[in-house]
Amino acid sequence: AQSVTQLDSHVSVSEGTPVLLRCNYSSSYSPSLFWYVQHPNKGLQLLLKYTSAATLVKGINGFEAEFKKSETSFHLTKPSAHMSDAAEYFCVVSELFDFQKLVFGTGTRLLVSP
Amino acid sequence: DTAVSQTPKYLVTQMGNDKSIKCEQNLGHDTMYWYKQDSKKFLKIMFSYNNKELIINETVPNRFSPKSPDKAHLNLHINSLELGDSAVYFCASSQDKGSSYEQYFGPGTRLTVT
Repeated sequence: AQSVTQLDSHVSVSEGTPVLLRCNYSSSYSPSLFWYVQHPNKGLQLLLKYTSAATLVKGINGFEAEFKKSETSFHLTKPSAHMSDAAEYFCVVSELFDFQKLVFGTGTRLLVSP
Repeated sequence: DTAVSQTPKYLVTQMGNDKSIKCEQNLGHDTMYWYKQDSKKFLKIMFSYNNKELIINETVPNRFSPKSPDKAHLNLHINSLELGDSAVYFCASSQDKGSSYEQYFGPGTRLTVT
């Protein structure tokens, strides 16, 4: 069965510095991977997705993620954090033959200080 | 226009009561889902419906019964509410064509059982 592990429960950065949120996945088949963001008391918004096309995926709000099969990783990065990036981020996996079933990681809370 | 909407946004009720949460999507999607997010922010799928047919039914107590009157609506009825049912419930939808099966989430319904 597929799963994702988000390596950090909390990440703190200063505004204007780079963001790195780490995610490792486990999947028997070719996975599809997603990053979702949840702002306080809001629903989830899709940041970006990987579906076996380009390994470097660009998303909204300047975020991007790189699929590395050799490392089974799908880390989320942003060159320069903004205060509005403070939120909960979820790494999510689904499998080729069960794509409707998303499996969520436990989330990483991103804190951005001035 | 809101793509995926849920009502109510907040629901406070007592143990033993029966309550319903409604979900509607105006995206023309074929599949709808219910997720539960617990107090630790962990998200887990409960059900999915495709064109009014139940597709995914995770290990959820029989007290939870989804109902899909048409493919734009998926309601969640909960009987005999228990304290452990307190959570945020998210509805989602997806199109499921080619690689365009990312899920769009509603704003969530915070259920508090006292």
